[in-house]
Amino acid sequence: AQTVTQSQPEMSVQEAETVTLSCTYDTSENNYYLFWYKQPPSRQMILVIRQEAYKQQNATENRFSVNFQKAAKSFSLKISDSQLGDTAMYFCAPQAGGTSYGKLTFGQGTILTVHP
Amino acid sequence: DTEVTQTPKHLVMGMTNKKSLKCEQHMGHRAMYWYKQKAKKPPELMFVYSYEKLSINESVPSRFSPECPNSSLLNLHLHALQPEDSALYLCASSQVNMGFRANEKLFFGSGTQLSVL
Repeated sequence: AQTVTQSQPEMSVQEAETVTLSCTYDTSENNYYLFWYKQPPSRQMILVIRQEAYKQQNATENRFSVNFQKAAKSFSLKISDSQLGDTAMYFCAPQAGGTSYGKLTFGQGTILTVHP
Repeated sequence: DTEVTQTPKHLVMGMTNKKSLKCEQHMGHRAMYWYKQKAKKPPELMFVYSYEKLSINESVPSRFSPECPNSSLLNLHLHALQPEDSALYLCASSQVNMGFRANEKLFFGSGTQLSVL
């Protein structure tokens, strides 16, 4: 079983600034992946970034990067140079490998608002 | 084409009606998913189809009936719904089932906003 905790229900940031969204999780699996998805007002969920748990190097996608602390089971998302289009609800999701379930367990989400 | 298309975008139905939600993708994906999402809550998995076969049913009430007629199309048939079933219904697809390859990226549609009166 997996549990996911996003402790920040809402956050706001000024355009061009940096913001970090936190996520902690608990899993009994050794092999797993971690995802951040965003859901803008258009309602379409979009993959932001993914991290393989056995890789020590933190994943980066343009302005988005993660701080993955495996021992602490922490997977935070850093957004640099925030843009108005980053306004969305962000969901953290771990996914265990080698299972037959294929379920993605989403955290409760963080609503991020970017102000001009 | 990297889109998942859902129709209709909005649906209002009475508790005695029968309606269907449709989801289509032309990316050659062999896994398709239905999620239910309440406002400001995370999506909750309902069903997973893998190679046109139902592989996961998350104990969803029988008033929701999924169907996968072919690899590109996923339907959700609705009958005798309750007001608490009002929600956003999201469809997603991936190349293969996340149970086979856990780092699969999910492609989501924009959802159908369902209101049950």
